[in-house]
Amino acid sequence: QKEVEQDPGPLSVPEGAIVSLNCTYSNSAFQYFMWYRQYSRKGPELLMYTYSSGNKEDGRFTAQVDKSSKYISLFIRDSQPSDSATYLCAMSANSGGSNYKLTFGKGTLLTVNP
Amino acid sequence: SQTIHQWPATLVQPVGSPLSLECTVEGTSNPNLYWYRQAAGRGLQLLFYSVGIGQISSEVPQNLSASRPQDRQFILSSKKLLLSDSGFYLCAWSLGGGLDTQYFGPGTRLTVL
Repeated sequence: QKEVEQDPGPLSVPEGAIVSLNCTYSNSAFQYFMWYRQYSRKGPELLMYTYSSGNKEDGRFTAQVDKSSKYISLFIRDSQPSDSATYLCAMSANSGGSNYKLTFGKGTLLTVNP
Repeated sequence: SQTIHQWPATLVQPVGSPLSLECTVEGTSNPNLYWYRQAAGRGLQLLFYSVGIGQISSEVPQNLSASRPQDRQFILSSKKLLLSDSGFYLCAWSLGGGLDTQYFGPGTRLTVL
């Protein structure tokens, strides 16, 4: 079983739709959870960062963490064509020391159609 | 604010040729630095990370090497490229001291022919 599973899609939605992107993980030591957005041929950019279970909202984006189910989600409200990108989940166990490795999902390709 | 630069943006190299990719970070001191490779359908693969000058940890055995000659400079090298080295190479940085969030550069697309 891979440490992090993410449906690669592709996911295609109409403009204005609510998008739900998900990742599951197997390592119960993961404590920090991130979502990155990557446009084609660009580096990933950080969207959301959460530490504990629960919801965190930033504009049209909501990150949700359920540690009991080992499941994280990213919701995008009122999706726009500019949201079309690959979304990567990432997580860390923070094992101590001065270096922290992230474990990434493979990414979900999202297309928002005008 | 912090910025991260990578060059070149695109590179086409023949098999067996050497490689040198450079990454520099501005606006922060003593960052952790990372090299990733992203191949289609395979996600992000961590290649090397560094917590300080001259300190390099390798994640995957391969014909690549990394060096950190200065605090904010990270270099990825190879003496002889293989076809399988083709991919999108990303440099990233993070703060030390417990913050996991990594910030990525624009990447270098390498094609080995």
